[in-house]
Amino acid sequence: DIVMTQSPLSLPVTPGEPASISCRSSQSLRHSNGYNYLNWYLQKPGQSPQLLISLGSSRASGVPDRFSGSGSGTDFTLKISRVEAEDVGVYYCMQGLETPRTFGPGTKVDIK
Amino acid sequence: QVQLQESGPGLVQPSQTLSLTCTVSGASITRGGYYWSWIRQDPGKGLEWIGHIYYTGTTSSVKSRFVISRETSKNQFSLKLYSVTAADTAVYYCARDGGGGIDYWGQGTLLIVSS
Repeated sequence: DIVMTQSPLSLPVTPGEPASISCRSSQSLRHSNGYNYLNWYLQKPGQSPQLLISLGSSRASGVPDRFSGSGSGTDFTLKISRVEAEDVGVYYCMQGLETPRTFGPGTKVDIK
Repeated sequence: QVQLQESGPGLVQPSQTLSLTCTVSGASITRGGYYWSWIRQDPGKGLEWIGHIYYTGTTSSVKSRFVISRETSKNQFSLKLYSVTAADTAVYYCARDGGGGIDYWGQGTLLIVSS
């Protein structure tokens, strides 16, 4: 199985400041079609996860442009250009290249 | 808009067998090349992929005591859990996977295994 790791696991943020989360996979997520099969999700308190970024860098419909995804192969980054109070929750990366799908442990983002 | 809604018994006793059902609206589970998935989350913990059923009916799951099936006439798919233990206590989500990962999630249903 592909092992996913994230850092940091906890991230206190200041509204208006940028934030960054790293995700690494135990093997490359780059498909033969050139896409990286890495998704990012945000799980707000009391809610189910919601898709933010698919295929490494494609923002899902309705996701604010302050969220961006980058990376390739085994190293990926989610960036929030200016954190807002509504961005608190747990962020997960997930690989969609192979079955079983596997998730990172999550990064808890809260306001300082 | 694709919507998924889980339903289940809520509370069961250890060693029992139970089913969770996901009702899908806004998409057909027999078309489009999608995987219809189950994921669970231990209270306060991370996410664990359980398995999926492809639009063709082919299934895959991480444990042999987790069996996924579908009822095409109702546009539903189900997860049957055999011989449950307290370790199976979790929120169970159904979801759609477009082949490169999950794009839509249900709201989740809490399953508590306790005597």
